[in-house]
Amino acid sequence: AAGVIQSPRHLIKEKRETATLKCYPIPRHDTVYWYQQGPGQDPQFLISFYEKMQSDKGSIPDRFSAQQFSDYHSELNMSSLELGDSALYFCASSLSRPMASGENEQFFGPGTRLTVL
Amino acid sequence: AQSVTQLGSHVSVSEGALVLLRCNYSSSVPPYLFWYVQYPNQGLQLLLKYTTGATLVKGINGFEAEFKKSETSFHLTKPSAHMSDAAEYFCAVSGSYGQNFVFGPGTRLSVLP
Repeated sequence: AAGVIQSPRHLIKEKRETATLKCYPIPRHDTVYWYQQGPGQDPQFLISFYEKMQSDKGSIPDRFSAQQFSDYHSELNMSSLELGDSALYFCASSLSRPMASGENEQFFGPGTRLTVL
Repeated sequence: AQSVTQLGSHVSVSEGALVLLRCNYSSSVPPYLFWYVQYPNQGLQLLLKYTTGATLVKGINGFEAEFKKSETSFHLTKPSAHMSDAAEYFCAVSGSYGQNFVFGPGTRLSVLP
């Protein structure tokens, strides 16, 4: 079965550079979530989109922005990178109006590991 | 608002012993509860979930969890630990469809030979 795809899987940047992470949700899924997991930390919610509109916002820095496109893929743009941005960034997708309760679930991608030097 | 606590940041068990990982949640609405496992340098894999219905939920790899509303708990158990179970385990709560997950701090499970 198709899963959530994230690219790139690994990314190395220097301080003050910019980075763009991409997420391709499972087909038919209309909601995308971004999470940040720092070293030894639990995943923290950043932002989510439903039908190309921002639906919820968590602890996302002002230096970060994101959007969801017409094909439902999403991009997380990160500017003025700091050492503390080094983390594993997960994207998850879900179906906002599941046909059955069993579909109420977020499916996580493999993550993009960002290293800021 | 939701929150999750996991008692014990590190749990060690012997191979073949019972695994018990604790999760307590707080939620102002009926919760959806999840357990995820994360192996080193890998993503999150869903072990099991509770949405509605039966409160005892069976998942993959022999794990199960019981939703106890009166105790606001969703503890994860496995009767017999295997070396391959060594990983980080996260409990998560969500309030409704489309709502983001709130994760607990995680419990690292070590399995001793």
